[in-house]
Amino acid sequence: EVQLVQSGAEVKKPGESLKISCKGSGYSFSSYWIGWVRQMPGKGLEWMGIIYPGDSDTRYSPSFQGQVTISADKSISTAYLQWSSLKASDTAMYYCARHMTTVTWGLGPNYYYYGMDFWGQGTTVTVSS
Amino acid sequence: QSALTQPASVSGSPGQSITISCIGTSSDVGSYNFVSWYQQHPGKAPKLMIYEVSKRPSGVSNRFSGSKSGNTASLTISGLQAEDEANYYCCSYAGSSTLVLFGGGTKLTVL
Repeated sequence: EVQLVQSGAEVKKPGESLKISCKGSGYSFSSYWIGWVRQMPGKGLEWMGIIYPGDSDTRYSPSFQGQVTISADKSISTAYLQWSSLKASDTAMYYCARHMTTVTWGLGPNYYYYGMDFWGQGTTVTVSS
Repeated sequence: QSALTQPASVSGSPGQSITISCIGTSSDVGSYNFVSWYQQHPGKAPKLMIYEVSKRPSGVSNRFSGSKSGNTASLTISGLQAEDEANYYCCSYAGSSTLVLFGGGTKLTVL
């Protein structure tokens, strides 16, 4: 059974750093892209970025580039989302999700993400002074 | 890279059919058959309902169907049931720079 299990809720102060995790099981973790999705309180879903654990190829939404860092450790089947300096506006629920992907080959691989088939349970991050 | 446009809310009575639209542009919905739909109940993680415009994952009821015309994708739910009451989000691949966009979400109320 495919499962993504996320780390627990966090309460932090502005300016602090944070790293949350998403551990995959029941499938070949290295072979599927894993992405992160933000949901601010009472709001919709926002796609943040994605990583391929097999080679740590990482892509970011322009809205989140430079704001967060996505990483993965394939040896322990875990992906991470981290902040170096939290802001109150980072208060949200964060989900990891396995992405279904297809690839075409030109000069290099072109990846197309066409669905998120398994999701973690979410990690609540609260940033408040 | 603006979010895809969905109606804020739709409603229907049990047994009826409803359709939720998702309006994108020629850079996302209009260019790729990589539209997906998610159902989210309050306090729960989203659930994949449709991918690649019209394909259903195993276990999803055939009351859910998807389609696309030009820059607009649609999710239709037939034979509405009380358990269908939830928020629904569309999502599209949006090219090599933006990558993935979500819609703003639609709250479905079953009357």
